[in-house]
Amino acid sequence: EVQLVESGGGLVQPGGSLRLSCATSGFTFNTFAMNWVRQAPGKGLEWVSTVSESGGGTYYADSVRGRFTISRDNAKSTLFLHMTNLRAEDTAIYYCANRSPVRSCDYWGQGTLVTVSS
Amino acid sequence: DIQMTQSPSSVSASVGDRVTITCRASQAISSWLAWYQQKPGKAPKVLIYAASTLESGVPSRFSGSGSGTDFTLTISSLQSEDFATYYCQQGNSFPYTFGQGTKLEMK
Repeated sequence: EVQLVESGGGLVQPGGSLRLSCATSGFTFNTFAMNWVRQAPGKGLEWVSTVSESGGGTYYADSVRGRFTISRDNAKSTLFLHMTNLRAEDTAIYYCANRSPVRSCDYWGQGTLVTVSS
Repeated sequence: DIQMTQSPSSVSASVGDRVTITCRASQAISSWLAWYQQKPGKAPKVLIYAASTLESGVPSRFSGSGSGTDFTLTISSLQSEDFATYYCQQGNSFPYTFGQGTKLEMK
């Protein structure tokens, strides 16, 4: 069974930092690029970042570039998102998801809530 | 950036109805399009990928079509479990972008 389990969310003050993790199992992690997608309360889905299978290629939405860093540990089948200089508009549920060869997200975690507030 | 525009933003329908949702890309994306269903409090679930390929396990009443800039998701005979929000997503180029969503509500 495929599982993706996010952790690391919580309440953080503006300007603070958090590191999200996504532990995966049930599929060959190192053969998939991986995504972070977020959803602000009551809003739609927003793609945040993608990392290539090896970790050598990273891509970011303009809204987070320079503040967020995506990475992965293929030995531990785990995806990360290091978020710095957090803003109120970063408040959202953060989902990790694979990127299939046809660039859809087939497997999703349950999400972790990040709240940026003083 | 490629903008994805869905229409309608919301639709009211009844069980048994045929429902069509459209998604328009601001530039050609070939067939790099996926459709997702999301229910309240749940993660999205992929329904269609590569514009028209049904994900394994998804009921055949769902279908997708289109290429280039114009795409459709059709539910041929609405069931009660289909009331949800639907999103399109382009994978042609970074930044990947989603449509704003279509909320399918019970009439």
